[in-house]
Amino acid sequence: EDQVTQSPEALRLQEGESSSLNCSYTVSGLRGLFWYRQDPGKGPEFLFTLYSAGEEKEKERLKATLTKKESFLHITAPKPEDSATYLCAVQGHPQYNNNDMRFGAGTRLTVKP
Amino acid sequence: DVKVTQSSRYLVKRTGEKVFLECVQDMDHENMFWYRQDPGLGLRLIYFSYDVKMKEKGDIPEGYSVSREKKERFSLILESASTNQTSMYLCASSRSGTAYGYTFGSGTRLTVV
Repeated sequence: EDQVTQSPEALRLQEGESSSLNCSYTVSGLRGLFWYRQDPGKGPEFLFTLYSAGEEKEKERLKATLTKKESFLHITAPKPEDSATYLCAVQGHPQYNNNDMRFGAGTRLTVKP
Repeated sequence: DVKVTQSSRYLVKRTGEKVFLECVQDMDHENMFWYRQDPGLGLRLIYFSYDVKMKEKGDIPEGYSVSREKKERFSLILESASTNQTSMYLCASSRSGTAYGYTFGSGTRLTVV
């Protein structure tokens, strides 16, 4: 069964203090690994899709990377507005009868000014 | 700019009531999904649909049913609401084919008393 584990559960940073969030996964044939941002009381907002090991994607202060077993979301010089819960999800190939998206529990990021 | 609309943000229902949660998307997406989100458990898939009048069970379908009579609308039905169905319900949609990120609605916080 596909599994997604995110760490840490919660992370508190000072503004400008760079760090990384981890997403470890097991999936039968990776179709895509996804990162989402979720603000309190709202639905998740799509950030990135990564398709194969070695791939990287960037958006403002966020950079996502992918290996065969895990993905990292690097946050460079974060600002208070980056505070949110970050969700990781994987989607397997249909040939493995498993093409819905499996989500991790998320990392709750707080950035203090 | 709203793309996935859920009919209610907050809902309070009594035990045993039949509850309808409505979701409409305006992006002509083929795929639609219903998740529930609970603290510590993350997002869990209830039902999904890849086409009109088509439905598939997710991980936790017990106590729920769905309806998709039109491409843009996907309804979640709680046949007889129970207190353990108190949760945040999230609807999402996506294009079919190569892995695409989901577009989520803002969620419906349902309380069953």
